[in-house]
Amino acid sequence: SQQGEEDPQALSIQEGENATMNCSYKTSINNLQWYRQNSGRGLVHLILIRSNEREKHSGRLRVTLDTSKKSSSLLITASRAADTASYFCATDSISYNTDKLIFGTGTRLQVFP
Amino acid sequence: DTAVSQTPKYLVTQMGNDKSIKCEQNLGHDTMYWYKQDSKKFLKIMFSYNNKELIINETVPNRFSPKSPDKAHLNLHINSLELGDSAVYFCASSQFLAGATDTQYFGPGTRLTVL
Repeated sequence: SQQGEEDPQALSIQEGENATMNCSYKTSINNLQWYRQNSGRGLVHLILIRSNEREKHSGRLRVTLDTSKKSSSLLITASRAADTASYFCATDSISYNTDKLIFGTGTRLQVFP
Repeated sequence: DTAVSQTPKYLVTQMGNDKSIKCEQNLGHDTMYWYKQDSKKFLKIMFSYNNKELIINETVPNRFSPKSPDKAHLNLHINSLELGDSAVYFCASSQFLAGATDTQYFGPGTRLTVL
């Protein structure tokens, strides 16, 4: 069954605002990754956070991980029109005992100029 | 230079036909994957190969047959296409075997439409 679920499903904001997307998962993990998918394109890796990390930064991106709540959030600060895309979280799963990524349902972010 | 490339980008075909999608990566990675993304954008792994060896087969119908002639190539052949096969198929690669703990690099996708 599906591992990650993103919330909200869709988000519309103005340029300059911050965008926060949440991901919840069901079983214990070793790590969690966030990917971006522009319309009609493949996924691009953004950031990986390990289960023993609580927060990670990369440029305007900030990812948090709360393993007790089985959730992660992706914050994009000072958003730009070019950030318009779908964002997916992806996890491995200790319980499933296979080396595969399980993707969430994605959040569609629209940033208006 | 394109890191992970797929051909064709678009594929429109009739039910019952057989078709192939090709994938190549020039990253020197050991592991390659096929994913299927449905109309609701849900992305699910189908297969993974490590150095030409099948590692993951996610209960995909046996009409789907992956083939890896070498570790830089992973092709997907689909027999007797059905309407439900319509989707976007993504190839991906990662450096090591542990794909779930490693960054994956995705191709641009092949949009398959079965009429």
